[in-house]
Amino acid sequence: SQQGEEDPQALSIQEGENATMNCSYKTSINNLQWYRQNSGRGLVHLILIRSNEREKHSGRLRVTLDTSKKSSSLLITASRAADTASYFCATVPRGSNYKLTFGKGTLLTVNP
Amino acid sequence: NAGVMQNPRHLVRRRGQEARLRCSPMKGHSHVYWYRQLPEEGLKFMVYLQKENIIDESGMPKERFSAEFPKEGPSILRIQQVVRGDSAAYFCASSPPDRVGQPQHFGDGTRLSIL
Repeated sequence: SQQGEEDPQALSIQEGENATMNCSYKTSINNLQWYRQNSGRGLVHLILIRSNEREKHSGRLRVTLDTSKKSSSLLITASRAADTASYFCATVPRGSNYKLTFGKGTLLTVNP
Repeated sequence: NAGVMQNPRHLVRRRGQEARLRCSPMKGHSHVYWYRQLPEEGLKFMVYLQKENIIDESGMPKERFSAEFPKEGPSILRIQQVVRGDSAAYFCASSPPDRVGQPQHFGDGTRLSIL
């Protein structure tokens, strides 16, 4: 079964607006990570949240984790055109510390 | 501070040929992970290697695919007798020995196209 399914598949907003992306997963996790991928490039790690954490901040990013609902959200505040990219959540299952399982991602377009 | 280096960036092969993809991890990293990304899909784990050891190859197809990470030199993902379905982007990631997997640092990938 697919872990880390993001919602929506695509999101288009104006510069300055906030962007919220959601991720659902199916099995127990060790941690959940969010990555960004610009077109034609590799993934860049954004933030990691452990299973015993509920919220984490990094600059304009805010990640929440609800293990009872097996879901996470990524909020990007005051978006910029440079935030245009695909965003993936990836889970590391309990009992592992390396096997990332990715969803299909959310394509975020920030219009100037 | 060079990141994870993958080469070639683009590779074109005809059906039946061999493809060799190379990955040099970040300096000081001794753990390497390979992932495959099909169009419009997320990355799928293939294999996890340490120097001279395959730790987990549960995501590797049983046939035609192999990976190595020798004592000296880059990690190699080798695909023999390629088929059209092997067309994908292949990403390598690395992590340091004291922080296995968390987080992983990715290269820019090799785009493999099979004619």
